[in-house]
Amino acid sequence: QVQLVQSGAEVKKPGSSVKVSCKASGGTFSSYAISWVRQAPGQGLEWMGRIIPILGIANYAQKFQGRVTITADKSTSTAYMELSSLRSEDTAVYYCARETVVVTTGWFDPWGQGTLVTVSS
Amino acid sequence: EIVLTQSPGTLSLSPGERATLSCRASQSVSSSYLAWYQQKPGQAPRLLIYGASSRATGIPDRFSGSGSGTDFTLTISRLEPEDFAVYYCQQYGSSALTFGGGTKVEIK
Repeated sequence: QVQLVQSGAEVKKPGSSVKVSCKASGGTFSSYAISWVRQAPGQGLEWMGRIIPILGIANYAQKFQGRVTITADKSTSTAYMELSSLRSEDTAVYYCARETVVVTTGWFDPWGQGTLVTVSS
Repeated sequence: EIVLTQSPGTLSLSPGERATLSCRASQSVSSSYLAWYQQKPGQAPRLLIYGASSRATGIPDRFSGSGSGTDFTLTISRLEPEDFAVYYCQQYGSSALTFGGGTKVEIK
């Protein structure tokens, strides 16, 4: 079955960018959607955006439009999420997850293990 | 955007007891496109239920989901020690998917 393995923790300065990777194994990478969901410390879950590798199309939550870029490399079965203009409020654990899309959105299973991004001066 | 409100915020129960968690939507969730997740400390969420009532692969049958429209319920028939965790609902009936704020099930 599909497994998602994410890159390691990052510490970034305010105003900089971070790029997190999510490598898939098992299944057919290109045929499903990969979404990114973040969780600030002690808080709930927040969807950021998704990519469908076979189509090369990404879409984003309105809140993150212009600041997040999600890409995928089919040759390595890896998805990436880059967040720019980082601020302290972006400190969170970032998860990738396979999304089973029904019509326009879907549910998430499985999830990557999460990547902690800390934004601090 | 559909707002999901979960209640109660915290549920204090003993092992063996029944847990009933609520997820209320600000508008009708089309086609019962609602999922439930379990999250333990330091771990990623795990899918329990999709389509309001379909159990995900490998999920024990003590977990069940029900509901439609704006009111959904996750029931754990008899709590096992490993079930103490935070539970989130998520709707995917609209182009802007959203999560509820979570219910923590703690040991009484």
